[in-house]
Amino acid sequence: AQSVTQPDIHITVSEGASLELRCNYSYGATPYLFWYVQSPGQGLQLLLKYFSGDTLVQGIKGFEAEFKRSQSSFNLRKPSVHWSDAAEYFCAVGLQGGKLIFGQGTELSVKP
Amino acid sequence: DAGVIQSPRHEVTEMGQEVTLRCKPISGHDYLFWYRQTMMRGLELLIYFNNNVPIDDSGMPEDRFSAKMPNASFSTLKIQPSEPRDSAVYFCASRPSGTVQETQYFGPGTRLLVL
Repeated sequence: AQSVTQPDIHITVSEGASLELRCNYSYGATPYLFWYVQSPGQGLQLLLKYFSGDTLVQGIKGFEAEFKRSQSSFNLRKPSVHWSDAAEYFCAVGLQGGKLIFGQGTELSVKP
Repeated sequence: DAGVIQSPRHEVTEMGQEVTLRCKPISGHDYLFWYRQTMMRGLELLIYFNNNVPIDDSGMPEDRFSAKMPNASFSTLKIQPSEPRDSAVYFCASRPSGTVQETQYFGPGTRLLVL
């Protein structure tokens, strides 16, 4: 069955430090992968997506993610975190027909 | 573009009452999705529509939940009767037609509390 796992429920980083959020997926075919961000009290906003081609994907707000088929991973990275990045981050896999299967989310806190 | 519009933003009701959540998708989008977010279960897809037709309702928890899309610009999610365990944030999302890599755009959500 298709699934997405985000192993880290909560991560705290210092402002200016680098960030990596982990995402592992289980899907039999070529995956379509997404990262969304949810600020408190808000809906989800797309950060970036991968569906083919270059395995390093650039997104908004300085985020990037790398697709690694051998590891079934799609980790999200940012070289320098800003306080405004504090939010919850969701990885998702897209299925044929348009459904998204989301991971449980990783809550990011940023220390000043 | 106004984005996906949901109403109400907050709803507090008593157990046994009927609750109706509303969604207006982005104009021109052919797909509409209803999700529920809880601490315990995360983000779950309840049902989605394509061109106003329900395609997959396997995520609808039970018969107390129903969803309709009478036209391309309006959808409702109804809970009757409501129960405390229905307390959650309900999101509506829409996306244009095309392949699965099309982006889903989410509304701000309706925070439902059933007492």
